[in-house]
Amino acid sequence: GQNIDQPTEMTATEGAIVQINCTYQTSGFNGLFWYQQHAGEAPTFLSYNVLDGLEEKGRFSSFLSRSKGYSYLLLKELQMKDSASYLCAVSPRGNFNKFYFGSGTKLNVKP
Amino acid sequence: SQTIHQWPATLVQPVGSPLSLECTVEGTSNPNLYWYRQAAGRGLQLLFYSVGIGQISSEVPQNLSASRPQDRQFILSSKKLLLSDSGFYLCAWSFSGRSYNEQFFGPGTRLTVL
Repeated sequence: GQNIDQPTEMTATEGAIVQINCTYQTSGFNGLFWYQQHAGEAPTFLSYNVLDGLEEKGRFSSFLSRSKGYSYLLLKELQMKDSASYLCAVSPRGNFNKFYFGSGTKLNVKP
Repeated sequence: SQTIHQWPATLVQPVGSPLSLECTVEGTSNPNLYWYRQAAGRGLQLLFYSVGIGQISSEVPQNLSASRPQDRQFILSSKKLLLSDSGFYLCAWSFSGRSYNEQFFGPGTRLTVL
């Protein structure tokens, strides 16, 4: 089966840095993806990791350790518009690109 | 560029009524297609996925079904809705071939069953 865990909710201050963790246990592993979802909207793709290490995309970075079944999303220079839910998704082994999503972490950015 | 459409945007249906949600993708061919459901404040649950016309795989047993009558058309159906079918239904697509392509989501349909 698939087990993906994220904290339910986090609060951070505008301009700060926040790290959102994701741990997973899946049957095989192809890649880990992070999505942002504003309330009432569809998720939008942020980043993905296939190999161990850090992937940086502007203010957002994502890290992966496959041996530990662990990833984090790092958001720098937080802005109010970053208030959203952040979803971790794992693609297990296979060629049909299935994703299994965690329950998401709701991030509240305060002034 | 590719776009994905879903309709309707919102739907209120009585218990026991049928359901048909439609999703279409433009600008690509032979995409992988997916249906997800998101309950309020929860993550996304994969319901169905398809790698080609007429090919449907179900993830969770339920009273919903899916069909793919054309390459870029994906339909979610039910003969009789239950209260527990309420939720936010999202269609997504990805490029076929590689095993770790990101998925792109449609705008979603918010379904309320009364």
